[in-house]
Amino acid sequence: EAGVTQFPSHSVIEKGQTVTLRCDPISGHDNLYWYRRVMGKEIKFLLHFVKESKQDESGMPNNRFLAERTGGTYSTLKVQPAELEDSGVYFCASGRGQGDTQYFGPGTRLTVL
Amino acid sequence: GENVEQHPSTLSVQEGDSAVIKCTYSDSASNYFPWYKQELGKGPQLIIDIRSNVGEKKDQRIAVTLNKTAKHFSLHITETQPEDSAVYFCAAIPWGGSYIPTFGRGTSLIVHP
Repeated sequence: EAGVTQFPSHSVIEKGQTVTLRCDPISGHDNLYWYRRVMGKEIKFLLHFVKESKQDESGMPNNRFLAERTGGTYSTLKVQPAELEDSGVYFCASGRGQGDTQYFGPGTRLTVL
Repeated sequence: GENVEQHPSTLSVQEGDSAVIKCTYSDSASNYFPWYKQELGKGPQLIIDIRSNVGEKKDQRIAVTLNKTAKHFSLHITETQPEDSAVYFCAAIPWGGSYIPTFGRGTSLIVHP
């Protein structure tokens, strides 16, 4: 079975620009998670979808971040406008049930200059 | 909230030696402790986990131990091989609660041939 895929793998943008990250979960996985790792620090939870609904968005840093999962399939995470501190690796993970193993994608490395 | 400390940040060993990575957690509600391995260019992948009703779990060359009283858990890799080189993350999860993991900062393991 195909794993979790993320696009793009790398993105370099200037402060103030907009970037949209995409995640395609494993087919049939209702649960989709977004995480972020700032260099050298821990992987931090951003939010959790169950199908198309936001189950928990307590980790979203501020209202510059907008996540969607239309139709309960792929998800997008938009950062608008981007700030320097948004730089990091954004991971997406999916799981069949809420407590099931989460399978991570390869991540998107975002650099904001 | 939960806080997970992970040490060391970098670990360099010779092939065939053992490697130990240690984590401590703060929230007694955490009762599930997975370990992830992140290879270059890939996302974190679950390699072993332990629940709070067990003190030790082993899978071939890797083992995890848990001390609930002291709130610490460790990953042990024996007979290390160059392909064990990766970044390892520990996590603590309140199973039956939010199921959202709190990760440690990661340990970069380098195994020299």
